[in-house]
Amino acid sequence: DAKTTQPNSMESNEEEPVHLPCNHSTISGTDYIHWYRQLPSQGPEYVIHGLTSNVNNRMASLAIAEDRKSSTLILHRATLRDAAVYYCIPRRYGGSQGNLIFGKGTKLSVKP
Amino acid sequence: DTGVSQDPRHKITKRGQNVTFRCDPISEHNRLYWYRQTLGQGPEFLTYFQNEAQLEKSRLLSDRFSAERPKGSFSTLEIQRTEQGDSAMYLCASSPIAGPTYNEQFFGPGTRLTVL
Repeated sequence: DAKTTQPNSMESNEEEPVHLPCNHSTISGTDYIHWYRQLPSQGPEYVIHGLTSNVNNRMASLAIAEDRKSSTLILHRATLRDAAVYYCIPRRYGGSQGNLIFGKGTKLSVKP
Repeated sequence: DTGVSQDPRHKITKRGQNVTFRCDPISEHNRLYWYRQTLGQGPEFLTYFQNEAQLEKSRLLSDRFSAERPKGSFSTLEIQRTEQGDSAMYLCASSPIAGPTYNEQFFGPGTRLTVL
């Protein structure tokens, strides 16, 4: 399983963009990069995933480096509700069968 | 609300007692997962079902732990002879095997276990 490195914590101001980095230098060619987040006192929730191309959805954007050794989750305008722990998780192609391997994630604080 | 539900939300027990938790996945989700999360750590995988078959178990799942999904719908996780080290949040997740969300796992709110 690929290992990931994320900052322990980051801070942002409300309504400003946030870039959350993740290093996954040992990722295999068939691993998708998934991002989940966990709001306080809740279970994790899916944010976005991608393989090679940059991806956008209603929650966030995912920018994947050309060599796939790193990726960045982008929240375009942080809100107070975005304060959470964000997890970057490499996952096998078609890996809906298997478990997710969570690291410690990045704790994002959003200041009003 | 059609999300994953877990019961109870909180459980306090004394060391040595048995506890059982229930998870109701999203309707028609074939896959069901159990995770455990301790303070300051990310969730750790415990076990995984596809329908009623338990397909994968973590080494974390000692012989005091047993999970079932008898009819391929709800699941139970039982811990026998609880120890203080079992204190954690127990999370359940489900996912479909096809469709636009098949790559996602949908998590419940968790059951927080405190062993005194």
